[in-house]
Amino acid sequence: QVQLQESGPGQVKPSETLSLTCSVSGASISTYYWSWIRQVPGKELEWLGFFYHGESTKYNPSLKGRLSISGDTSKNQFSLTLTSVTAADTAMYYCARGFSSPDYWGQGTQVTVSS
Amino acid sequence: SALTQPPSASGSPGQSVLISCTGTSTDVGAYEYVSWYRQYPGQAPQLLIFEVTKRPSGVPGRFSGSKSGNTASLTVSGLQVEDEADYYCSSYAGNVDVPFVFGTGTKLTVL
Repeated sequence: QVQLQESGPGQVKPSETLSLTCSVSGASISTYYWSWIRQVPGKELEWLGFFYHGESTKYNPSLKGRLSISGDTSKNQFSLTLTSVTAADTAMYYCARGFSSPDYWGQGTQVTVSS
Repeated sequence: SALTQPPSASGSPGQSVLISCTGTSTDVGAYEYVSWYRQYPGQAPQLLIFEVTKRPSGVPGRFSGSKSGNTASLTVSGLQVEDEADYYCSSYAGNVDVPFVFGTGTKLTVL
């Protein structure tokens, strides 16, 4: 049974850096693509980027170079780092397995950007 | 840019409903990588259909997908009360700046 669990601060101040971690069980992050996706309440889903261990990452250019995604195989986790956050980054953040059709998703973690 | 879905759809229990997802010749029309998700309030999306027509194990056969040109469709047959949720499509868009796009979402109401 593949399970993903996001963790991180629920609130971040404007201009600071948001760091989220996705802990994976039941699958190795050394295989598959792993993605971050977010959703502003009441809005559609937005693909943020993916990570394929040791090979490639790709990010949504709408984030203007503020995003990076990396993995830690020793912990079977992958992480999202988003710099210079603004109120527009307030959303539910999901990690998911896969890229073209993410099949397993975490429960999501709500992030609010506020001073 | 986001794929276009109707904001709402509805049907009575037992009926069938079709939800459309319109893209372009560079995403939906170009690849057989359209997926559909169901999302209940406060929950993560659940994959219902991948690669246009395929169902993950555990997804009932009442859910089916198709594609014609730049438009993909999800058909929910034999509507049940628990089908009331938001539905999103997604598509691969190639090795471009934004290789993966979601639809705008459709709120399905079971009358």
